[in-house]
Amino acid sequence: DIQMTQSPSTLSASVGDRVTITCRASQSISSWLAWYQQKPGKAPKLLIYKASSLESGVPSRFSGSGSGTEFTLTISSLQPDDFATYYCQQYNSFTWTFGQGTKVEIK
Amino acid sequence: QLQLQESGPGLVKPSETLSLTCTVSGGSISSSSYYWGWIRQPPGKGLEWIGSIYYSGSTYYNPSLKSRVTISVDTSKNQFSLKLSSVTAADTAVYYCARAPRNIAVADYWGQGTLVTVSS
Repeated sequence: DIQMTQSPSTLSASVGDRVTITCRASQSISSWLAWYQQKPGKAPKLLIYKASSLESGVPSRFSGSGSGTEFTLTISSLQPDDFATYYCQQYNSFTWTFGQGTKVEIK
Repeated sequence: QLQLQESGPGLVKPSETLSLTCTVSGGSISSSSYYWGWIRQPPGKGLEWIGSIYYSGSTYYNPSLKSRVTISVDTSKNQFSLKLSSVTAADTAVYYCARAPRNIAVADYWGQGTLVTVSS
């Protein structure tokens, strides 16, 4: 099974900061990597698919990069609405695995 | 606008079978472009993929749950369902159903989620 490791687990940042979250796969997944944002009591929301493609309607301050085993989600200028938990998700051979999540908190 | 809605008992006894249904509206579950899946989240914890199904009935399960999980589809009702047998307290979670486009293998539409508690 492919394991996904996110870092950091928690991140404290201020409005306007540039934020980067990393996700590492235990083996190569090419570009089959997605990022989701989840707020308390809500279903996750898709932000990025295929490592770097921005989902329709998602602000351009969100971007994704990487391939193989190392991936990053970057928020170029953190906004108040961005304080949430972020998850990566891989796809390989019809199975999925999520990372453990990164909580972005107000500094 | 596509909508997914989970339904089923909110309380299940240990050792029994958890059964949930996801009703899809605003789109056809028979589309060849999508898989349909279940994902869960224990209180205060992360997301866990349970499994997916294609309208034809092809299924794909999380290896760690495979022995206890059955996902089925009813195209006549535009629904798909989850059964998880021999549940324990560790299966207490919010259960989400979701749509997954075949070409990008992500969950782009989600239900609101339903909390299932396993307790006697």
